[in-house]
This record gives sequence, structure tokens and C-alpha cells, in this order.
Amino acid sequence: DTEVTQTPKHLVMGMTNKKSLKCEQHMGHRAMYWYKQKAKKPPELMFVYSYEKLSINESVPSRFSPECPNSSLLNLHLHALQPEDSALYLCASSQVLNTEAFFGQGTRLTVV
Amino acid sequence: AQSVTQLDSQVPVFEEAPVELRCNYSSSVSVYLFWYVQYPNQGLQLLLKYLSGSTLVESINGFEAEFNKSQTSFHLRKPSVHISDTAEYFCAVSESGGFKTIFGAGTRLFVKA
Repeated sequence: DTEVTQTPKHLVMGMTNKKSLKCEQHMGHRAMYWYKQKAKKPPELMFVYSYEKLSINESVPSRFSPECPNSSLLNLHLHALQPEDSALYLCASSQVLNTEAFFGQGTRLTVV
Repeated sequence: AQSVTQLDSQVPVFEEAPVELRCNYSSSVSVYLFWYVQYPNQGLQLLLKYLSGSTLVESINGFEAEFNKSQTSFHLRKPSVHISDTAEYFCAVSESGGFKTIFGAGTRLFVKA
């Protein structure tokens, strides 16, 4: 199994809603990442987990809250988002930090 | 801190023609280098990587890249492109022992019939 699975594929939410994005991998990778990608732009790193501990938070607003319940799962909790947060949210994993990453298909988020 | 520059935002090319996508990086320590490809509405897929060893690396679908330390470059080449190679290509760099992988701005390869 060389896949990173993200759910849902699409999400539309209002500015007062609370929702969660989920990411799962079964490759035994110990590093997991959340990226945000706007149209025609490269992915921007948001959070990095290494061995289930948060290693990097790239000054992401607190309306985004990551969680790593175990070595296979990564969640991103969303609350009180703004329309400018609409983007493709990508999860990735790698064996350890900074080796080649495997990406999920992404969640297309629209905030209305 | 490391950085990466992709010199061309778009590269149009005819089918079966050769192509080169350019990538330059900046770092004060040893680096790992990657090329990723992204098709529309999909995530990124690793195309090839340089970690150490041979400076010429190849992918299974005919792409190759050469690590040039003196010119701090990692250009991607393919001798004959197909329509199906149309996609966004990202060069990425991470520092040995570092925490982050930095992506270039991307190059849109458009293959015309």
C-alpha cells in the first residue's frame, strides 16, 4: 500500500462551521505534513509532524488545528474559516523528515 | 535557509520534441533534490530524486535530471515528450538534517499535437 488517502475530496463550509479533514497512510512513515495550495501556486507548508509530535507550525492561524492521533492518521480541524482559506489542502507523508514525500489527492475546500 | 528557483513559468512544446525544465537552488549545506509532477485536480507525485551518489537520476517514464553542484542546478529533461506529459512540474529542495522541503513556483509543461 503506497497510498495516502484524504477525505473528503470536496468540502463546502460556511464561516461559522466546524469541520475536519482526514488523512491516512499505512506505509509506516513517521513524518506527516499538511500543505495548502492555491490555484497556479506551489504547495505551502502548514504543519509537520515527526513521530506523532508537532515539529513545525508555519505561523498558521489558530482557526486551523492539526492533530496526529497515531502514526497512521493526521487530522486538520477547521473552525471559523475565511473565504480566502478556500484552497486545495494536501496531506503528505515520508519515511522520516525530508525524504521523498507521498501526497494524497487533496481536499478541495470552499469557504462560503 | 534553502531556496529554489524555477526559471520558466510555462514551457510549450510540440509532441515528440525534447524539453528541459530548469531548476536552480540555494543552500549552504548538502541538499536533497526532488522533481514532483501534478496533473489537474490531483496531488503531487514524485518523479525523481537525488539524495546522493550518481548525479544523473532517471524516472521510469523517460525523464532524467542531473545534479550539478557547481552550478547549483537540477534541470529536468526528456528527449521526446508526449501529450500525456502535460502537467505542472515542481522542483523541491530540502537540507540534509533539516526540517522543511521548499518547493519552486512550478513550471507548466504544455505539450501540443
